[in-house]
Amino acid sequence: KAGVTQTPRYLIKTRGQQVTLSCSPISGHRSVSWYQQTPGQGLQFLFEYFSETQRNKGNFPGRFSGRQFSNSRSEMNVSTLELGDSALYLCASKSQGGNTEAFFGQGTRLTVV
Amino acid sequence: QQQVKQSPQSLIVQKGGISIINCAYENTAFDYFPWYQQFPGKGPALLIAIRPDVSEKKEGRFTISFNKSAKQFSLHIMDSQPGDSATYFCAATLIGNEKLTFGTGTRLTIIP
Repeated sequence: KAGVTQTPRYLIKTRGQQVTLSCSPISGHRSVSWYQQTPGQGLQFLFEYFSETQRNKGNFPGRFSGRQFSNSRSEMNVSTLELGDSALYLCASKSQGGNTEAFFGQGTRLTVV
Repeated sequence: QQQVKQSPQSLIVQKGGISIINCAYENTAFDYFPWYQQFPGKGPALLIAIRPDVSEKKEGRFTISFNKSAKQFSLHIMDSQPGDSATYFCAATLIGNEKLTFGTGTRLTIIP
């Protein structure tokens, strides 16, 4: 069974640009969550999608947005990039709610210069 | 407040020793407490998890101890091995709410 796939693995962008990251969850998983990981702030929740609907959102500015498609694949977009957006962006998928395991992808390393 | 506080920030343990990482939470509504292990270049992977209705859960060399009244839980790694060298994160969540609130992480190094 394939794991969570995130593309691209690495990305370098310039301040002011926008970026789109992609996440393909494990087959059959309908919940996709996004996290930002930085050395200073650790792992912080961005948002969660289930059946194409955003169910939960973290404390990030509106420049961070996401969506989920009917096949459960998800994308997140960051507009007007800032240097502080440099981070590892992780996607996690779950089959459903409850105490089921969240499986993380390897992440996309975004560097803003 | 939704914080989860984790300590120590880094830990060095000799091979065969016991590694202990501690976490404390504030939100008494949390009802699911997983621990994640992360190797460089990889995403976090679930190691072991516990619910507050039990005080201890053991899986192989890994044990979670849970103290509901103190709002604390800890990870014990028995017979620590060099392959256990990684960053460990505790987390807390509400079942049904997919948001994981993570601790700040502990970088564990096992030395021969």
